[in-house]
Amino acid sequence: ETGVTQTPRHLVMGMTNKKSLKCEQHLGHNAMYWYKQSAKKPLELMFVYNFKEQTENNSVPSRFSPECPNSSHLFLHLHTLQPEDSALYLCASSLVAGGGDRADTQYFGPGTRLTVL
Amino acid sequence: SQQGEEDPQALSIQEGENATMNCSYKTSINNLQWYRQNSGRGLVHLILIRSNEREKHSGRLRVTLDTSKKSSSLLITASRAADTASYFCATELPGGFKTIFGAGTRLFVKA
Repeated sequence: ETGVTQTPRHLVMGMTNKKSLKCEQHLGHNAMYWYKQSAKKPLELMFVYNFKEQTENNSVPSRFSPECPNSSHLFLHLHTLQPEDSALYLCASSLVAGGGDRADTQYFGPGTRLTVL
Repeated sequence: SQQGEEDPQALSIQEGENATMNCSYKTSINNLQWYRQNSGRGLVHLILIRSNEREKHSGRLRVTLDTSKKSSSLLITASRAADTASYFCATELPGGFKTIFGAGTRLFVKA
């Protein structure tokens, strides 16, 4: 276990549904990340939060809405998704973002496998 | 091409052999990290090498970094079936808020 948990582990939703992915870290970290991993594509950084402030939005469509209420929790709210959004969504945390070296080592959760019908 | 590209895309070896994976990148970096991912699971951090370092070891892992060639290699010695996984390099760009992952090398170690 890496100290980062994600729920649910699997999610199937229709294009008109609204759902949320949850990530929680128990490592005392201050930075949290959302990544999208599609088959045969590099891991895509979606959002970065550092001390609860969003520091990176990698041109993600507005149908993905992140929320970081505190340094331990990160949500990804989903609405009106498309089938091409089906992927493994990974959450990660690090001590800080931009802190260099060990501070930036990221610890990943197991991911949520999302299928959009 | 992308910031981080691993080579080869896939590698199949016998248990006991060494496995070498390469990563090339395009821009200046703060550091380069290698991660491992078992099928459908999260990534696990293996090793970090700073831009001013040339080589690091951790157990059976050896990482080299050549900033002049913008490349890194990961060597796994005396491989085991349990090493079967995908291996990713990740480069941290100056400024520090962005870590770019490559597409990975899929390693299969046959028992």
